Order: sequence, then structure tokens, then C-alpha cells
Amino acid sequence: EPEVTQTPSHQVTQMGQEVILRCVPISNHLYFYWYRQILGQKVEFLVSFYNNEISEKSEIFDDQFSVERPDGSNFTLKIRSTKLEDSAMYFCASSERASGTRHTQYFGPGTRLTVL
Amino acid sequence: DAKTTQPTSMDCAEGRAANLPCNHSTISGNEYVYWYRQIHSQGPQYIIHGLKNNETNEMASLIITEDRKSSTLILPHATLRDTAVYYCIVRVAANGNNRLAFGKGNQVVVIP
Repeated sequence: EPEVTQTPSHQVTQMGQEVILRCVPISNHLYFYWYRQILGQKVEFLVSFYNNEISEKSEIFDDQFSVERPDGSNFTLKIRSTKLEDSAMYFCASSERASGTRHTQYFGPGTRLTVL
Repeated sequence: DAKTTQPTSMDCAEGRAANLPCNHSTISGNEYVYWYRQIHSQGPQYIIHGLKNNETNEMASLIITEDRKSSTLILPHATLRDTAVYYCIVRVAANGNNRLAFGKGNQVVVIP
């Protein structure tokens, strides 16, 4: 069964450093998403991406964050200058569509980001 | 998107059916009911979704009341591996409304 994959599984970085989290969505999916979950808290939506542009973003997704689909398979989340409060699990998701049928979002296993 | 209300936690007996309730009294006509679960900080796992009719797949059944103000997720034969946080989410599936709004969920523990 096709799956969303994410790398790395765990990333440790120093405050102020840039990090790039990588995701490979399910191959025939067109919509891509990033969510995060701070330890002990709810899963929070960050951004959705379609047709090479952001279609929706939350208030969390500020100028420090960016997303990109650099090639036909990868979808990345970049944090420009990490802060301690960016420490969280980051989940990538994808869906075939955003509306109608086949809009279900499937999640990857996550990347645990630790900012020291 | 309409809000949902779930129990904070519940225990279920292994091998028995687990019935997980969800209230969504302000749901509108074009909002779907989704169920996901999260096992110990793993990625949320899709279980099932429905609009008006009851749905069944290999994982679970979803029973939606006729007025659509509540629903029940049924795990037909709960196993220890079903221990997880279960999320009931209501959302309009539309372009430009892409986010899934996760609440605190229902911590379900399957007991041997």
C-alpha cells in the first residue's frame, strides 16, 4: 500500500540554524500538507500546497517557514532560523484531491525536530 | 468547521466491540465526519469518513445519526494494538479549506 515517507526520523539542530525536513508524498497525490505536534499538545495545521503554490496556511506558518516541491517526488519544509519553540514532531500529509471524493489526507510517520 | 466533542478517555475490553462516540451538533450539510487515530506520537492514521450514510471498511464502521449531530466509530473486535488517541474531525472538503483541525481526542485503552 502506498505510504507517505519522511526523512530524517529525528533531527537535532542548534538554535538559529536552518533545517529542511523532507517528505515523499504518495505518488498520484496532488495536495501536500505539513502539520506539527509539540510534545503533549494537539496536532496543528501549518500549510497546504497545490500546483506549486501555497493554498492555505495557518498563523503559525510565518516568514521563518517555507515549503517547496523541488522535483517530482519530494516536498520540503524549511525553517530558516530555528527557535527552541520549533521543537516538535512534524508530519507531512498528502491527498489526491482537496474536494469531492478522494480528498482523504494520509500522514507520514513524522520527523522529530529537537532545537537545542 | 463545526466543533466536535469526544470523551477524554475510555477503556475497552480486548476482543469486544469498541464504540467511540462523537458529538457534532453544529455540523452543516456539506461537512464530512472523519476519524483518525494516533498511536504514541506516530503519524495520524486515517480510519474512515462519511457524509450522511453509514460507512464500513476493513478497519471500522461509522454510524452517523439521521440528524447528523452525532456519530459512533465502531472497532468490531478491539485488540491491544488499537490502543491510541482517536480523533473525530468535521470538515468541509473544499479547495481552500484544507486543514484538518485536530482536537485533544479520546484516549482509548484496550484492556486484556
